[in-house]
Amino acid sequence: DTGVSQDPRHKITKRGQNVTFRCDPISEHNRLYWYRQTLGQGPEFLTYFQNEAQLEKSRLLSDRFSAERPKGSFSTLEIQRTEQGDSAMYLCASSFEFNRGPYNEQFFGPGTRLTVL
Amino acid sequence: ELKVEQNPLFLSMQEGKNYTIYCNYSTTSDRLYWYRQDPGKSLESLFVLLSNGAVKQEGRLMASLDTKARLSTLHITAAVHDLSATYFCAVDTNAGKSTFGDGTTLTVKP
Repeated sequence: DTGVSQDPRHKITKRGQNVTFRCDPISEHNRLYWYRQTLGQGPEFLTYFQNEAQLEKSRLLSDRFSAERPKGSFSTLEIQRTEQGDSAMYLCASSFEFNRGPYNEQFFGPGTRLTVL
Repeated sequence: ELKVEQNPLFLSMQEGKNYTIYCNYSTTSDRLYWYRQDPGKSLESLFVLLSNGAVKQEGRLMASLDTKARLSTLHITAAVHDLSATYFCAVDTNAGKSTFGDGTTLTVKP
């Protein structure tokens, strides 16, 4: 499968625990995005990387959230001390961006559904 | 701050009918996307609209973009049950991130 993959697909955790999600983008894509989606809402931007550089973080991304893309390939999103309000679908997307060309169509992974009890 | 508004948020249609979903956005942008999402699934890219007057069609769906009015439309022709899903528009800023609308949940009834 050459699409965007995410692991795990589902995660149930207790409040206060730490969780980590992984995203593997399409191999030739240089940009990787994280979004959060709650029921009945559109995805909300969290952060994005160009290669290994994290270029922007949303104010939604509190100090408990951290994301990395250490080698410009896969990325991890960690949530520390989870809260019930963190329950959501976490979506990863990737794209190829070159000089603001027409290629920045984002391809989404299947998502990780997080439930915090 | 960029805001994206879709309407209607819920749409119930009969098979064979036509309808239009509207997407308004608040600041200048050079890219607009339409996605489809089935329940419990991720987002599937439908259209990428890059310039004023752009029109794209795929099957029973046609999307257009008017950058001067900051408006995009998704027109559904002769709806069929398989089109039942939630449709999102998303607008790209110069920074590359996308801001999504709240989605239009479409139900097509026989």
